Amino acid sequence: DAGVIQSPRHEVTEMGQEVTLRCKPISGHNSLFWYRQTMMRGLELLIYFNNNVPIDDSGMPEDRFSAKMPNASFSTLKIQPSEPRDSAVYFCASSLVPNSPLHFGNGTRLTVT
Amino acid sequence: TQLLEQSPQFLSIQEGENLTVYCNSSSVFSSLQWYRQEPGEGPVLLVTVVTGGEVKKLKRLTFQFGDARKDSSLHITAAQPGDTGLYLCAGAETSGSRLTFGEGTQLTVNP
Repeated sequence: DAGVIQSPRHEVTEMGQEVTLRCKPISGHNSLFWYRQTMMRGLELLIYFNNNVPIDDSGMPEDRFSAKMPNASFSTLKIQPSEPRDSAVYFCASSLVPNSPLHFGNGTRLTVT
Repeated sequence: TQLLEQSPQFLSIQEGENLTVYCNSSSVFSSLQWYRQEPGEGPVLLVTVVTGGEVKKLKRLTFQFGDARKDSSLHITAAQPGDTGLYLCAGAETSGSRLTFGEGTQLTVNP
């Protein structure tokens, strides 16, 4: 079991650029979550999918953020245009079903200058 | 969204000491999960408690779910430097499918 795989591990970009974060969930897991972690706000749920369908995107900060899950083995989180306040560690997690224990990836540390 | 408050926010102790971390809410949760996160990694599940009053032990770690399923505690006996990390509690809402995370307790165990 390779676990949840995220890429890239680190991303440094300039304000205004588009950023795409990628996630491969654990095979067989039906739920996928995107979280953002900062010192100030802790771990925040951005969006989650169940069976590839977005269920709750109320945590997405604004229209600059979008997420897709075209199939059961891949999801992306896109920020366009990026801003310095988007700097954070973004985690992808998957679980068998919603509310079951989460398996997190190692995160993408995003720095927007 | 149901809120979870963890205390203390930071804890620095010496090896061999005991400690307790608390996770409190005014809301009822169907279950509560505890995770530990180390630098540069994602949180890793330690335990899930489901029944009010439930106590689970994992070696030197003891987890308890409050009778009313609104709070939980994590007690570590004879802490070791390897216990250092960010401890997060997460409550599963009784309605819906969201997990709400507390802000975490950063534990440092000094040799």
